[in-house]
Amino acid sequence: SAVISQKPSRDICQRGTSLTIQCQVDSQVTMMFWYRQQPGQSLTLIATANQGSEATYESGFVIDKFPISRPNLTFSTLTVSNMSPEDSSIYLCSVDFLGLGTQETQYFGPGTRLLVL
Amino acid sequence: GENVEQHPSTLSVQEGDSAVIKCTYSDSASNYFPWYKQELGKRPQLIIDIRSNVGEKKDQRIAVTLNKTAKHFSLHITETQPEDSAVYFCAATNDYKLSFGAGTTVTVRA
Repeated sequence: SAVISQKPSRDICQRGTSLTIQCQVDSQVTMMFWYRQQPGQSLTLIATANQGSEATYESGFVIDKFPISRPNLTFSTLTVSNMSPEDSSIYLCSVDFLGLGTQETQYFGPGTRLLVL
Repeated sequence: GENVEQHPSTLSVQEGDSAVIKCTYSDSASNYFPWYKQELGKRPQLIIDIRSNVGEKKDQRIAVTLNKTAKHFSLHITETQPEDSAVYFCAATNDYKLSFGAGTTVTVRA
């Protein structure tokens, strides 16, 4: 499986500011995803990060709030914009196993713990 | 979209006993069902998965069963140990988008 890292691991931010989270994989993968896990809750898919094209967002998530970049097959960023306390969550990236693009198996990064004051 | 329900939300078992977590899904087209274990402060880790062409899969003390007709699947942990204490999530998909259940907090009592 791939080694997935995220930066920062945690942050405390003021409301109204923005934070960019990085996800780095040690091998090329086709599919990269961003999830949100609110405190004590399950995982919710925010969007699929597409290399070379705009991300595909799930219902309830919009590009203006969560802009995503995917400049290559090993890296993606998620920005949480104009933050409010309701954005306090763990943000996780995940990638498909072996990078084949046809496998559903996903492996998660360590997550970024965000607290918005 | 896919809707996954998971029960129970909490489960307390005596060490050595078995634990069973059940999930139902709504989309009959779903064909892949992974289970993740998340320890406190850590990332979700895949522990076992099953595809719709298989009814049961076992890996040491962990097994998963799938009933496509009833659209439900279950996780079975035998001979539970303290290190099995964690939150367990089931998920389902018919493409690459995973829909997760709400999670089950398992506590193994020594």
